[in-house]
Amino acid sequence: DARVTQTPRHKVTEMGQEVTMRCQPILGHNTVFWYRQTMMQGLELLAYFRNRAPLDDSGMPKDRFSAEMPDATLATLKIQPSEPRDSAVYFCASGQTGYSPLHFGNGTRLTVT
Amino acid sequence: QQQVKQSPQSLIVQKGGISIINCAYENTAFDYFPWYQQFPGKGPALLIAIRPDVSEKKEGRFTISFNKSAKQFSLHIMDSQPGDSATYFCAARTPRGGYQKVTFGTGTKLQVIP
Repeated sequence: DARVTQTPRHKVTEMGQEVTMRCQPILGHNTVFWYRQTMMQGLELLAYFRNRAPLDDSGMPKDRFSAEMPDATLATLKIQPSEPRDSAVYFCASGQTGYSPLHFGNGTRLTVT
Repeated sequence: QQQVKQSPQSLIVQKGGISIINCAYENTAFDYFPWYQQFPGKGPALLIAIRPDVSEKKEGRFTISFNKSAKQFSLHIMDSQPGDSATYFCAARTPRGGYQKVTFGTGTKLQVIP
């Protein structure tokens, strides 16, 4: 059963540290999304890739967040420097263009102290 | 700007009862309306979806009702079970230029009590 894999599952770090989250999308999927989930804001879209090219990162704080897809099997989301307000669950999702669902990973729970 | 409004925020239903979650949208360009189910510690997973040219879609105990003129859609869970206890998100997709941006509602936490 193919699934999206995210690592790490949990991350606790101190303010100012760099955080890197990784995602392995489902093989054959050509779209990758990064979402952030918080109680206050719900699911927010941070970045979107299609065929590894970034199409939209307007939801991402540009000064500290960056998203890349170095190859078809790896997407990364980096925060540098991290701040307490970045504490949230970060989800990666992959899919295919057309009327197909998004497949979500189980998320990375980030806590910045 | 909240493009998809979801209510209620939380819902408690007796086992065997009907759970109803409502969503409303403004953007008439949305072309696909999925519902996702999320259990604690897991990512959301697609439950059921509908296109705007259909007024109703049923899969087992789950039904989406869609009212295009009112720009509203709802999820009905018949014969609700304790295993249905989860958070439910409605969503809507914009097909703009092949970029299929999915906007989520704020979620409804459903608790089904025995």
